[in-house]
Amino acid sequence: GENVEQHPSTLSVQEGDSAVIKCTYSDSASNYFPWYKQELGKGPQLIIDIRSNVGEKKDQRIAVTLNKTAKHFSLHITETQPEDSAVYFCAAVGFIFRGMRFGAGTRLTVKP
Amino acid sequence: GAGVSQSPRYKVAKRGQDVALRCDPISGHVSLFWYQQALGQGPEFLTYFQNEAQLDKSGLPSDRFFAERPEGSVSTLKIQRTQQEDSAVYLCASSPGRDRYEQYFGPGTRLTVT
Repeated sequence: GENVEQHPSTLSVQEGDSAVIKCTYSDSASNYFPWYKQELGKGPQLIIDIRSNVGEKKDQRIAVTLNKTAKHFSLHITETQPEDSAVYFCAAVGFIFRGMRFGAGTRLTVKP
Repeated sequence: GAGVSQSPRYKVAKRGQDVALRCDPISGHVSLFWYQQALGQGPEFLTYFQNEAQLDKSGLPSDRFFAERPEGSVSTLKIQRTQQEDSAVYLCASSPGRDRYEQYFGPGTRLTVT
């Protein structure tokens, strides 16, 4: 089955700096890659996603890149703000198996 | 519009009790998913419905876990004879389905088995 690895597990940046979180996946049949932000006591919130036929997608300060050949995808957050502090999860989904396989999460701390 | 709602938000059960967790998906969403999230970890897939059909239950950890969605809308996750290892947050997500993959999560139900 699918295995998703996520790095780093913790990330601390200064306000205004950029943050990058990386994930790799194992199943070449996976074709949809979402990123979620989870704050304490809340459910995961979808922040950006990308399909396997696209190499990059951007939404304001957030971007995701996908390298299908290498089976890895990354989340880029620019001009970080304290409210970006949360746990971020990557995930992979296939066409047949729609249940998401999640990475272990990255705790991002943005210092003011 | 209204998002995914779950009830109860918190549940404390004594070991051996049965519990039922409810999920109300976003109106019109075809697909519904249940996940289990242990403290400090990512969510783990449990089961998946398309309308009322349970298409995948490969993630259910034991036969004590049972899920249903009889009318293709509200879903219930039932855990029989709860054990301490069942303590976790149970998350429900719904998705428009078909060629749309995005899943939207509810706030979760935190289950504590004492």
